[in-house]
Amino acid sequence: DAGVTQSPTHLIKTRGQHVTLRCSPISGHKSVSWYQQVLGQGPQFIFQYYEKEERGRGNFPDRFSARQFPNYSSELNVNALLLGDSALYLCASSFPGQGSSYEQYFGPGTRLTVT
Amino acid sequence: LAKTTQPISMDSYEGQEVNITCSHNNIATNDYITWYQQFPSQGPRFIIQGYKTKVTNEVASLFIPADRKSSTLSLPRVSLSDTAVYYCLVLNYGGSQGNLIFGKGTKLSVKP
Repeated sequence: DAGVTQSPTHLIKTRGQHVTLRCSPISGHKSVSWYQQVLGQGPQFIFQYYEKEERGRGNFPDRFSARQFPNYSSELNVNALLLGDSALYLCASSFPGQGSSYEQYFGPGTRLTVT
Repeated sequence: LAKTTQPISMDSYEGQEVNITCSHNNIATNDYITWYQQFPSQGPRFIIQGYKTKVTNEVASLFIPADRKSSTLSLPRVSLSDTAVYYCLVLNYGGSQGNLIFGKGTKLSVKP
């Protein structure tokens, strides 16, 4: 079975631009979470979506938004990019029917560089 | 949420057993201890989870004393491919928070 997939793998943007990152969960998984990981730090939680509804939001500004589609894939949008948004953005999915978070399956991430 | 403390880094040699200890003094009754592994440029991967005593799987063992204020991840006979960052997390099982709170983790370097 295919794991969690993310696109694109790498992205370079300029300050002030916006970006859309995409994630496809493991087949049958209904929960998708997004994380930001800056160099040298652990991943930081941004959003969780379950059955197309937002179930949690981390401490990130309103420039960050996300949505989940009927096929359970998800998009993360970031507006008005700042240099500090440069990071690895990770998507994770978890089993159907489980809102619990203990075992999440992570994708390879999207490396975003803001110049 | 219970805060975790673990060493920033550890060094080992191939074939040795590695033990990484995590402190979680404020762990709650419904909390489970969970460990993730992350290789460079990859997403974290679930390794093991436990509530008390000892849990073992094909990858590692997890030792949790009776007071549950700490836990130890044990990696038997490490190889170069075990070089990674290891994260200790305390999670409320069954909670619908849907998020994982990562610290900085322990960077394990395995040398030949």
